[in-house]
Amino acid sequence: GAGVSQSPSNKVTEKGKDVELRCDPISGHTALYWYRQSLGQGLEFLIYFQGNSAPDKSGLPSDRFSAERTGGSVSTLTIQRTQQEDSAVYLCASSPSGGARNTIYFGEGSWLTVV
Amino acid sequence: DQQVKQNSPSLSVQEGRISILNCDYTNSMFDYFLWYKKYPAEGPTFLISISSIKDKNEDGRFTVFLNKSAKHLSLHIVPSQPGDSAVYFCAASSTSGTYKYIFGTGTRLKVLA
Repeated sequence: GAGVSQSPSNKVTEKGKDVELRCDPISGHTALYWYRQSLGQGLEFLIYFQGNSAPDKSGLPSDRFSAERTGGSVSTLTIQRTQQEDSAVYLCASSPSGGARNTIYFGEGSWLTVV
Repeated sequence: DQQVKQNSPSLSVQEGRISILNCDYTNSMFDYFLWYKKYPAEGPTFLISISSIKDKNEDGRFTVFLNKSAKHLSLHIVPSQPGDSAVYFCAASSTSGTYKYIFGTGTRLKVLA
């Protein structure tokens, strides 16, 4: 597609349930990022994938969070046993390569509400 | 440890005047900076970037200034328009690191007609 695509756009889940959020990066982009923005907060880095390198997971807030990137393209962010503090918009972004001088392009986000 | 800080959570400016949004960083290894604009219910969109080899970059109404010694950058919007009302984020990365971008907490700009 033309841009970064995320699904679902909105998700309401019960506390304790698992959720999966999907990201389709821009075709040909090798770098993929997950960020989240909680209400009233800035963009918090979660995880970064670049090609076949080991992902940078340094931003994942707990072991309930995990992410995969299959075939160097689509990525799935999984949150297990969701808590209310997980409520946020989860933003995926991609860039042509992992170089620091690349612009990153964001999707519209997946809005997660844990009730 | 907030490595990128935007100390003004909000700013109001009259239409036609200059908007100045500020950003400070603590990591001296950061050498590439981006500004993004975010409207409600949308993803952030890229505005302008600057490399540490420059101290100014201009694109239309948007100019970014970088002061490396002060670890400070600013985004100037001239003239400001009501459509510029949004949340603005600065982001920084290091070419010697893993290239992840660290974002500030954002400044909400309101341009008054």
